[in-house]
Amino acid sequence: DAKTTQPTSMDCAEGRAANLPCNHSTISGNEYVYWYRQIHSQGPQYIIHGLKNNETNEMASLIITEDRKSSTLILPHATLRDTAVYYCIVRADTGANSKLTFGKGITLSVRP
Amino acid sequence: EAQVTQNPRYLITVTGKKLTVTCSQNMNHEYMSWYRQDPGLGLRQIYYSMNVEVTDKGDVPEGYKVSRKEKRNFPLILESPSPNQTSLYFCASSLDQRAYNEQFFGPGTRLTVL
Repeated sequence: DAKTTQPTSMDCAEGRAANLPCNHSTISGNEYVYWYRQIHSQGPQYIIHGLKNNETNEMASLIITEDRKSSTLILPHATLRDTAVYYCIVRADTGANSKLTFGKGITLSVRP
Repeated sequence: EAQVTQNPRYLITVTGKKLTVTCSQNMNHEYMSWYRQDPGLGLRQIYYSMNVEVTDKGDVPEGYKVSRKEKRNFPLILESPSPNQTSLYFCASSLDQRAYNEQFFGPGTRLTVL
């Protein structure tokens, strides 16, 4: 699976949009971009994923650049409960064991 | 409610005493997997199962066993636990093994082996 690069940490004000960047310059055509988050030591929580197109669900939006080398996760109105480690993961569709490979992630701190 | 459950949530045991961590999902998922999370090492896959009676090793299978006799259950077995298996364990499941199906994680089991 392609490797991802994320900043170590960022913060944003409550109520504002949080834009979390991710670089995946070696991504290949059959690899999906996934975002998970982990609050404290809870189980990782699925947020969103996409292949080529931008995606939106009730939690967030995922913006993937046209060349697919980077993406941005957008939390439109961050709350204190969004404080967590966010993982950007590239996952290949090999038809076999397409495991999730978690890196260090980015720590998002939402301030009041 | 669709969920992945794990039991126990916390366990302290001693070296060599066999233990089983249970994992169950109610979503009729084919694919299930076990991960361990350690500081500085992230989550690493231990074992996975693509369906009933189909299991295979992940990245760190040594010291662990699994079984998949029913679709909903995927227990993790430590036959002779050692202190280096002290970790936070997560079970996950998805519809099948394909990458476009998201994996859902359980709440975790914190294991301490003395």
